[in-house]
Amino acid sequence: AQTVTQSQPEMSVQEAETVTLSCTYDTSESNYYLFWYKQPPSRQMILVIRQEAYKQQNATENRFSVNFQKAAKSFSLKISDSQLGDTAMYFCAFMKNFGNEKLTFGTGTRLTIIP
Amino acid sequence: DAMVIQNPRYQVTQFGKPVTLSCSQTLNHNVMYWYQQKSSQAPKLLFHYYDKDFNNEADTPDNFQSRRPNTSFCFLDIRSPGLGDTAMYLCATSRAGLETQYFGPGTRLLVL
Repeated sequence: AQTVTQSQPEMSVQEAETVTLSCTYDTSESNYYLFWYKQPPSRQMILVIRQEAYKQQNATENRFSVNFQKAAKSFSLKISDSQLGDTAMYFCAFMKNFGNEKLTFGTGTRLTIIP
Repeated sequence: DAMVIQNPRYQVTQFGKPVTLSCSQTLNHNVMYWYQQKSSQAPKLLFHYYDKDFNNEADTPDNFQSRRPNTSFCFLDIRSPGLGDTAMYLCATSRAGLETQYFGPGTRLLVL
């Protein structure tokens, strides 16, 4: 079974600063997908970024980027130039390759951006 | 805009009184999921439909059932809610082969 661990229950950072959220996972699979989802206080889960394990290049989406270390089974999220709207719960999630549609979530990191 | 819609957004029910939560989608996705998210916890998959094929998680209580009458709609039925079923229930959809799941706003259920 896959497990996803987020070791930082809460973090806070000043607006405009850069913050990195950590995620590690455990799997025996070689092909899989990793995701970061954001759940703002309004509670709709939104996809932030995704990474295919077979791709060596780290995914980026505007101010959001990941540091994917496959050998170390690490998948951290970096938020640059943080904004007040980034305040949310962030979940790291794992999915095996096509054929198993199940998302396994970590326990989340509550991020607060301080004005 | 294509989206995932959940109704109602808030539901209060009595202990043991059946309740049905609704999810609809305009994305034309063939996979639909139901997650349970208790306060300050990660979402936990209850079951999902791949087209009309129902896939139940091994640890989902029998008290939870689901129906998918067509591609657009999926229902979560809780036959006899207990206090421990108080949670946010999230519906999500995906297109098979594209992995990314799109979530609805959730239904917050309170069992008294």
